[in-house]
Amino acid sequence: GAVVSQHPSWVICKSGTSVKIECRSLDFQATTMFWYRQFPKQSLMLMATSNEGSKATYEQGVEKDKFLINHASLTLSTLTVTSAHPEDSSFYICSARDFRGQNNSPLHFGNGTRLTVT
Amino acid sequence: QKEVEQDPGPLSVPEGAIVSLNCTYSNSAFQYFMWYRQYSRKGPELLMYTYSSGNKEDGRFTAQVDKSSKYISLFIRDSQPSDSATYLCAMTAGGGNKLTFGTGTQLKVEL
Repeated sequence: GAVVSQHPSWVICKSGTSVKIECRSLDFQATTMFWYRQFPKQSLMLMATSNEGSKATYEQGVEKDKFLINHASLTLSTLTVTSAHPEDSSFYICSARDFRGQNNSPLHFGNGTRLTVT
Repeated sequence: QKEVEQDPGPLSVPEGAIVSLNCTYSNSAFQYFMWYRQYSRKGPELLMYTYSSGNKEDGRFTAQVDKSSKYISLFIRDSQPSDSATYLCAMTAGGGNKLTFGTGTQLKVEL
């Protein structure tokens, strides 16, 4: 099945610094990847849709200058949390859809990145 | 009212029990339905994917969709302690539309 790899799995950083999270599709090409955020005991909240070769589409209320997304190749999307603050501490998860199958193939998720900002 | 409603639990059952997990939804445009399993501190793992009313079986798992009632279910037979996780339902209208998730049901299968 489709595999999505996310790195790092956890990171601790100081307030004011920036953190980059990578999301790779390992055995398929993904023109579109999705970034989610999840708070403890809550469901996934879509932050943005990452489009290969073009600008990301951000959901309402998500600061695009705070959460920089780059989708430079068909297998890699990155999320950079800039000038991180403690309230940015969360579980960030990326996902991608394998279009080799049906047009409405389900999303496959990475294992998430737990960010703690001190 | 949320588009997708799911009881957060926690749901605790003995090993070997049949587990029933459910979601209701209000958007009749939803056509594709998924169940994901999420272990603590891990990303969601796709369990089942359906796009028509009726039942779909895969091993110990059965997904059921009733579009007329806007109700979907996931049944787990012969539940095992390793099934202890949070189960998320998700659905979409398709055509590139976003997934809408339920809040997840926390399941614990006890020895």
